[in-house]
Amino acid sequence: AQSVAQPEDQVNVAEGNPLTVKCTYSVSGNPYLFWYVQYPNRGLQFLLKYITGDNLVKGSYGFEAEFNKSQTSFHLKKPSALVSDSALYFCAVRDMDYGGSQGNLIFGKGTKLSVKP
Amino acid sequence: DSGVTQTPKHLITATGQRVTLRCSPRSGDLSVYWYQQSLDQGLQFLIQYYNGEERAKGNILERFSAQQFPDLHSELNLSSLELGDSALYFCASSVGEDGRGTDTQYFGPGTRLTVL
Repeated sequence: AQSVAQPEDQVNVAEGNPLTVKCTYSVSGNPYLFWYVQYPNRGLQFLLKYITGDNLVKGSYGFEAEFNKSQTSFHLKKPSALVSDSALYFCAVRDMDYGGSQGNLIFGKGTKLSVKP
Repeated sequence: DSGVTQTPKHLITATGQRVTLRCSPRSGDLSVYWYQQSLDQGLQFLIQYYNGEERAKGNILERFSAQQFPDLHSELNLSSLELGDSALYFCASSVGEDGRGTDTQYFGPGTRLTVL
């Protein structure tokens, strides 16, 4: 079965410092990986996805993610954090197991990012 | 703004009641997905419709049902509501059936359901 894990419930970063939000995955075939962000009382906003190709994926709002097949990781990164980046971040993998729920997103538990001035 | 709209934003009802949540996908998108977000279960996939037909099913209770209409909007019906059904219900849409799993799903703002 496909799954993702976000090992950190919360990440604290000072404004201007680089940030990393971790995600590891477990899939039986090719991994299709996604990052979403949820601001308070808002829906999920798509940041970026990895389907194939370059291991460094660039996304919205200056975020990027590094796909590492050997470590089965897809960590989200940003070179310089902003206070406005404070939100809940979700990693997701597409469920490609053959069966009734095939093709849909399996989400991690989420990581709360707090950026302090 | 993702282009996916959901109504109502908030819904407060009592146990045993029935409610209907509505979703309009992005213009041109044929697939609609429903997800439930709760504190204990996290984000869970409920059901997907593609061009009016049920495409995939997740952890959806028998008390819940959905449909997608010819104009592609979708409704999620929740009946015999229980306290544990209180959650944020998201709708998402994508352009195609996404059999390859590569399409991006764009999410609406959600409907917060509170069952008292």
